[in-house]
Amino acid sequence: GAVVSQHPSRVICKSGTSVKIECRSLDFQATTMFWYRQFPKQSLMLMATSNEGSKATYEQGVEKDKFLINHASLTLSTLTVTSAHPEDSSFYICSARGGAGGNQPQHFGDGTRLSIL
Amino acid sequence: GDSVTQMEGPVTLSEEAFLTINCTYTATGYPSLFWYVQYPGEGLQLLLKATKADDKGSNKGFEATYRKETTSFHLEKGSVQVSDSAVYFCALSAPMDSNYQLIWGAGTKLIIKP
Repeated sequence: GAVVSQHPSRVICKSGTSVKIECRSLDFQATTMFWYRQFPKQSLMLMATSNEGSKATYEQGVEKDKFLINHASLTLSTLTVTSAHPEDSSFYICSARGGAGGNQPQHFGDGTRLSIL
Repeated sequence: GDSVTQMEGPVTLSEEAFLTINCTYTATGYPSLFWYVQYPGEGLQLLLKATKADDKGSNKGFEATYRKETTSFHLEKGSVQVSDSAVYFCALSAPMDSNYQLIWGAGTKLIIKP
């Protein structure tokens, strides 16, 4: 099946640090990748959608200068949390979808637990 | 706008019990419907999907039927196991969105006791 690898799985760092999270589709080409944030005991909140070679589309209320997204190839997207602060601590999950059309499922990475001290 | 409503959890059952998690939706057009499962500390896994009315998705003993007349996609399993304990999310793929982003239900936590 389709495999999405997300790295790192856990990050603990000091306030003010920038953190990069990678999302790779291992056995398929991801035309679209999605970045989510999940708060404890809550559903996923879509942060942004990125198509390969295009600028990411951010959801309302998500700071694009704070959460930099790069979708450089059909198998890799990165999310960089710049100058992270404790309120950025969360569980970040990426997903990837190969092919166009609403009947194509998103395949998810295992998530990154970000803790800012 | 498009939305998904799931029954609130947690749902607590004994092993081998019958499971139903209700999911209803509102959408413009004809969405595809999905159930995802999230085990503790992990990302989400696609459990099953249905792409048109009357389709039945099934996987690992779970089933859900796309009912357009009742705008529902209820998840069922005949005999649950402790290992089924997880959070289950119902979602639809917004047909009017060019990126077909997923609209999520709030999730239902399932607890299976031995």
